[in-house]
Parts: sequence; C-alpha cells; structure tokens
Amino acid sequence: SQQGEEDPQALSIQEGENATMNCSYKTSINNLQWYRQNSGRGLVHLILIRSNEREKHSGRLRVTLDTSKKSSSLLITASRAADTASYFCATDSYNFNKFYFGSGTKLNVKP
Amino acid sequence: DSGVTQTPKHLITATGQRVTLRCSPRSGDLSVYWYQQSLDQGLQFLIQYYNGEERAKGNILERFSAQQFPDLHSELNLSSLELGDSALYFCASSARQGATDTQYFGPGTRLTVL
Repeated sequence: SQQGEEDPQALSIQEGENATMNCSYKTSINNLQWYRQNSGRGLVHLILIRSNEREKHSGRLRVTLDTSKKSSSLLITASRAADTASYFCATDSYNFNKFYFGSGTKLNVKP
Repeated sequence: DSGVTQTPKHLITATGQRVTLRCSPRSGDLSVYWYQQSLDQGLQFLIQYYNGEERAKGNILERFSAQQFPDLHSELNLSSLELGDSALYFCASSARQGATDTQYFGPGTRLTVL
C-alpha cells in the first residue's frame, strides 16, 4: 500500500480562508515533500521538509512534520482561487530510495 | 515550464499493442523518474534511472520496461497493453539521485487503451 495518505480527500473553502491538509505515512523517511497538481497537468514542487525539521515556511505555505506521529500538515494561508488544485505529499523510502505519493487532497477555493 | 518534455502528449491504442513514451529531462539533470497516475488517483512510482543506470524500482509491471540513454533522455516501453493501463504517465527529473532532490515534472502523456 502507499506510504503517504492525505486527509481530507476534498476540501472546499472561500477565498481568503486558510486551508489545512494532512498527510500520514507508515515507515521512516528521509524527507517529505508537498506538490501541487492543476487538473491533468504535471506536478509542481512546493516545499521539502527534512526528517530532522519540525516546521518550514515558504510564502503563504507552512509545513509541519511530526515524525513521532508519522504525519505532516500543509497550511495555505489567505487562499486564492488560483490555489485550486490537488495537493500531494510525497515521501521517500529510507532504505530503498523509492518514492511514494499519496492520493491527494483536492482543494477548491471559491472566489 | 519545468524544462522536462514528454512526447507524445496523447496516445490512443488498442489492447495487446506496444507503445513507447519519451522523456527529456531538464538540462543538467541526471535522474529520470517515471510515474503512473490513474484517473483521480495518486502517483505510482514506477522506476528511476540515474546517469543511464537503473537506480530504484517501484510498482512497475513486467510488461513495462524503461531505459535511459547516453544523452540522458529516457523511454518507457509498455507492451501487451490492457484496458487498465490507461492513465497519465509522468516523467520527472532531478539533478542528482538522492531522495532529498526536488523532482521537476513533465506535462505527462495521456495513454488511452481501447
């Protein structure tokens, strides 16, 4: 089964609100990355957090990582209609250098 | 534009056939990754090549094979195609081979098997 699983599967909010999505994984990781995918297009890297980091910021994005709970969260503040996309977390496999993407959270930001 | 190119954009073929998908990585990137994304699903990691050598293998079927050429472009070959192989196939590249590298994704090839 997949290493990373996002929650919720879908999220609908109004422009200006904050959006929070979560990712859980199963085994030890080196790092966790978040990607965005606009409908049917390639993924775009958003942010990487290493296993020894707890929080990271990039513009309106805030990512946290709790390795004891094997979970991460992505917070998008002051959301915009352009943030409408699917968001995926991706983890590596510590021993085997494989990469696992979750099934994604579909975010809809209403103008 | 990520700098990763994939051809063709769309491919429609019949069951039992064989197709080849092509990927050119960003200039200077040595690693190429292949992923399969079925409708409204996450990405399944298939395989990674680094500088011409297979580096990591995911859930790649035996009917699928890939290679990376000396000029670093890569091809994914899908044979004995089945209806369930219909999906978006993404290629990504990164500068090195490590798990901490950012992967840059191409626009994908949409494969439809009829």
